[in-house]
Amino acid sequence: SAVISQKPSRDICQRGTSLTIQCQVDSQVTMMFWYRQQPGQSLTLIATANQGSEATYESGFVIDKFPISRPNLTFSTLTVSNMSPEDSSIYLCSVDSPGTDTQYFGPGTRLTVL
Amino acid sequence: GESVGLHLPTLSVQEGDNSIINCAYSNSASDYFIWYKQESGKGPQFIIDIRSNMDKRQGQRVTVLLNKTVKHLSLQIAATQPGDSAVYFCAESIQGAQKLVFGQGTRLTINP
Repeated sequence: SAVISQKPSRDICQRGTSLTIQCQVDSQVTMMFWYRQQPGQSLTLIATANQGSEATYESGFVIDKFPISRPNLTFSTLTVSNMSPEDSSIYLCSVDSPGTDTQYFGPGTRLTVL
Repeated sequence: GESVGLHLPTLSVQEGDNSIINCAYSNSASDYFIWYKQESGKGPQFIIDIRSNMDKRQGQRVTVLLNKTVKHLSLQIAATQPGDSAVYFCAESIQGAQKLVFGQGTRLTINP
């Protein structure tokens, strides 16, 4: 499986600010995904990021709040904009495995908003 | 690291015993299912998957059972070890949709 890294691993931010999370994969992948995992909860898909096209957002998530970039086949960023304490979560990126429906996950970014 | 799943259902077993973690899925059209293991401070780790044309699949110390009639999935872990302590999530998808829907998760604790 692909090796996935995320930066930063954790951060503490002030409300009203924005944070950009990076996801790097060691091989080219078609699809990259961004998930949110709120404290004590399961994973919820935010959006799917394909290279060369706009991200596809799930219900309840909007581009103005969570802008995503996918400049190439090994990299993506998720920005959490105008943060509030409710945005405190673990943010995870994942990638698809060629020819399968399996997804492999990065280590996550633990965000705390004060 | 931070603890994930503070409010999740929990299962405690003695080291060496077998454990069974259950999951009810929601979409009768789902035809692909995955079990993930998430240790504290880490991202979910793929354990085993199964397609809807099967009702059982075995891996190393793990077995996944699928009952499509009642939309139920289970993960059996044999001879549990301390390293099996984690939160376990099931996920479902429709083949080709490339979108996973995760269950609520179960925290497994292995007692020495």
